[in-house]
Amino acid sequence: DSGVTQTPKHLITATGQRVTLRCSPRSGDLSVYWYQQSLDQGLQFLIQYYNGEERAKGNILERFSAQQFPDLHSELNLSSLELGDSALYFCASSAEGQTYGYTFGSGTRLTVV
Amino acid sequence: GQNIDQPTEMTATEGAIVQINCTYQTSGFNGLFWYQQHAGEAPTFLSYNVLDGLEEKGRFSSFLSRSKGYSYLLLKELQMKDSASYLCAVRDQGGANNLFFGTGTRLTVIP
Repeated sequence: DSGVTQTPKHLITATGQRVTLRCSPRSGDLSVYWYQQSLDQGLQFLIQYYNGEERAKGNILERFSAQQFPDLHSELNLSSLELGDSALYFCASSAEGQTYGYTFGSGTRLTVV
Repeated sequence: GQNIDQPTEMTATEGAIVQINCTYQTSGFNGLFWYQQHAGEAPTFLSYNVLDGLEEKGRFSSFLSRSKGYSYLLLKELQMKDSASYLCAVRDQGGANNLFFGTGTRLTVIP
């Protein structure tokens, strides 16, 4: 157990629908990062939050949004889903100044049918 | 922007040594990371280099040359469980601490 908790582990939904993925960071970590990993693709950075505020934005579609709540958990909202959105979505967390990068959660596998 | 290149696939024999290369071009650099990822699982941290040279950690070592934009991960005494994808990632120089990943190298260890 890495300490980063993601739910649900698996999600199957239809095109056009909306889903919410949830992430609880490791205790004490203020930063949360969301990544998308499609089949045979690298990890694509979507968005970062730090202590409730958006800090950096990567290749995140306008149909996707995220937020970080006062208890530091984060949610990634995916709407108007398309077949191409099927992927593993990872959340990671980190503390300021740490040298070992991130700690990843076990991911949510989203399948859009 | 960031551009990170790694070989897509490699195969090596159990007990042997394998070197996985990574080249990068980034607008800012604040460290290079290697992660291991078994299929369908979360990436796990292996090593971190921010200065030139070799960092050794057990069977794994990682090397960095900032002037060449080059790193490698060296795996010794390969075991079957080392079959996984190995991801090279570069941290940007800004305060956001973001990591940008290459597509990964899928290593298959054969008996």
